[in-house]
Parts: sequence; C-alpha cells; structure tokens
Amino acid sequence: DQQVKQNSPSLSVQEGRISILNCDYTNSMFDYFLWYKKYPAEGPTFLISISSIKDKNEDGRFTVFLNKSAKHLSLHIVPSQPGDSAVYFCAASFKTGGQNFVFGPGTRLSVLP
Amino acid sequence: DAGITQSPRHKVTETGTPVTLRCHQTENHRYMYWYRQDPGHGLRLIHYSYGVKDTDKGEVSDGYSVSRSKTEDFLLTLESATSSQTSVYFCAISESSGLGEKLFFGSGTQLSVL
Repeated sequence: DQQVKQNSPSLSVQEGRISILNCDYTNSMFDYFLWYKKYPAEGPTFLISISSIKDKNEDGRFTVFLNKSAKHLSLHIVPSQPGDSAVYFCAASFKTGGQNFVFGPGTRLSVLP
Repeated sequence: DAGITQSPRHKVTETGTPVTLRCHQTENHRYMYWYRQDPGHGLRLIHYSYGVKDTDKGEVSDGYSVSRSKTEDFLLTLESATSSQTSVYFCAISESSGLGEKLFFGSGTQLSVL
C-alpha cells in the first residue's frame, strides 16, 4: 500500500499558465515533505520542501501548499515554462534520516510552448 | 552537484551473472543510499550506509548486497541478476538543513538484465 500517492501520472499545461501537481499521503505521522524534479537521464534534484508546522512555502515560481487535515500537498508553478517539463516526485518523512523518505510514483509534467 | 559519481552509467547483463555498481562521493558525507526507480513506484530504498562498514536494509533489499570500505565509495552488488532487477539505480547522499534532511542524487545507472 503506497503511503505517498500522486494520482495523476501526467499533466500538460500551456506555457505561461499555472501548473498544479498534487500529492496525497496516508501516514499522519509524516511531518516533512519535499518535491524533486527529474529530467531524462539525470538524477532527481531537490526543488522545494515544507515542514508540517507551515502550510505554505514559496521559492520563486514554485510554491508548495500543505493541508494537514486532508493529508494533501500541492506544488504550484507560476508561470510554467517549457524547461519545467520533467517528472516531479513528492516525498514525505516523519523522522530524521534520509532512509525514512517515502517517495510517490511521480507525475510527468509537459509544458507546451 | 553534490560530488556524486555513479559508474557505469549503462550496463547490460545476462540473468544469473553478478553485477556491481559503484557510487563515489567527494564531500565526505556520512550517509549514502542506493535507490531504484521503476515506473509506477517512484524511488525505493534498497540499502543505505551510515558509516564505513555500517549498512542497513531498505524497503527492497532482497537480491542486493552493499559494501562500504571507504567513506567515499558505496558499492551495490547483485549477486545473481534477475530480469526483475532491470531498473534505473540512483545513489544519494543526505545533508541536513534547518528544516530537515535533503537527499542529493547521482546521475543514475541504467541496468538491463536480459
């Protein structure tokens, strides 16, 4: 049973518009969440994170929202650019230590020019 | 770039043969990890190391062993490769920040077991 779910395998968005990627989790003990971006033939790269004591974290065009009661987080990209086309992984953790990360299956974002 | 190098980048092998993947890091990180990435499963932890000669199992450790004889090198061995081990393998290190840990990944090894 997946503890971290990304129910949309793929998403297409027009350049300049908002991209919203969603992630749901089942373990209420998770208290730290991250988003990673992955281009083909490269390793995942860290994008943005949020602690459970916050409900929003912003970094440039990227904002992550956390709704603890719904066990849901989302990544907003505004405005979307063709270079944002990649696979996005959501990850969650409830203890310190990288071995405790649980990753979602990923969402492939395509930003169309 | 967290100074992580994986080798080889691509490997094709036959069922039943042993395979070793290497991860080399240059920044003296204590923790190192091996993940595999498969469609529909995201990234799953195989094994990790918290120091020289200190390793532990992850979620999908069956069929894999690891060794860490030096801080900078973490080896992943498939003793007898099977087709189910066809995957992309990523090595990672972790760093702590104010909020929590972050993982930094190498570029990956594409392994095909025929």
